[in-house]
Amino acid sequence: AQSVTQLDSHVSVSEGTPVLLRCNYSSSYSPSLFWYVQHPNKGLQLLLKYTSAATLVKGINGFEAEFKKSETSFHLTKPSAHMSDAAEYFCVVSERGFQKLVFGTGTRLLVSP
Amino acid sequence: DTGVTQSPTHLIKTRGQQVTLRCSPISGHKSVSWYQQVLGQGPQFIFQYYEKEERGRGNFPDRFSARQFPNYSSELNVNALLLGDSALYLCASSLRDGNQPQHFGDGTRLSIL
Repeated sequence: AQSVTQLDSHVSVSEGTPVLLRCNYSSSYSPSLFWYVQHPNKGLQLLLKYTSAATLVKGINGFEAEFKKSETSFHLTKPSAHMSDAAEYFCVVSERGFQKLVFGTGTRLLVSP
Repeated sequence: DTGVTQSPTHLIKTRGQQVTLRCSPISGHKSVSWYQQVLGQGPQFIFQYYEKEERGRGNFPDRFSARQFPNYSSELNVNALLLGDSALYLCASSLRDGNQPQHFGDGTRLSIL
């Protein structure tokens, strides 16, 4: 069975400082991994995805994530936070070739001025 | 391009009633998936349909059913509503089956009294 663990329920940063959202995954197969963002009362927007190509994945809005198989991690980073980044972030795993997405519990990112 | 559209945006029902939620995928997308997001949790996979056939089902009771129409739109039906069915119901569409990026609608907020 596949699962993801998001290690922090809340992360607080100041505007202009780096962002790190941590995610560990568990999968019996070669996984596909994703990060989605959800703003209040909105649906989910895909930030980036890993599907076995380059281990460093660049996404939208300056976010990137690095797939580390030895650590079973897929942490999300951004060099400089903006106020508009405040939202809920979900780490997601799926079995390659299948549509079913398995979501983590989410990390709420708070950005202060 | 119009994104994934869901209707209604909000719905209030009482226990024991039945509800139908609707989803129109992005034009050209043939796969539709449904997710349930209970407040404070990550979305849980309910169903996936591709070319009008059920391709995946999550761990939900038989009170939950869905179908996909020839124009690739989809309906999610829930019978005998329980208080625990209160949630945000999200629809996602993708071009094809398999490892395709999924695009989410803004969801239907269902409240059970």
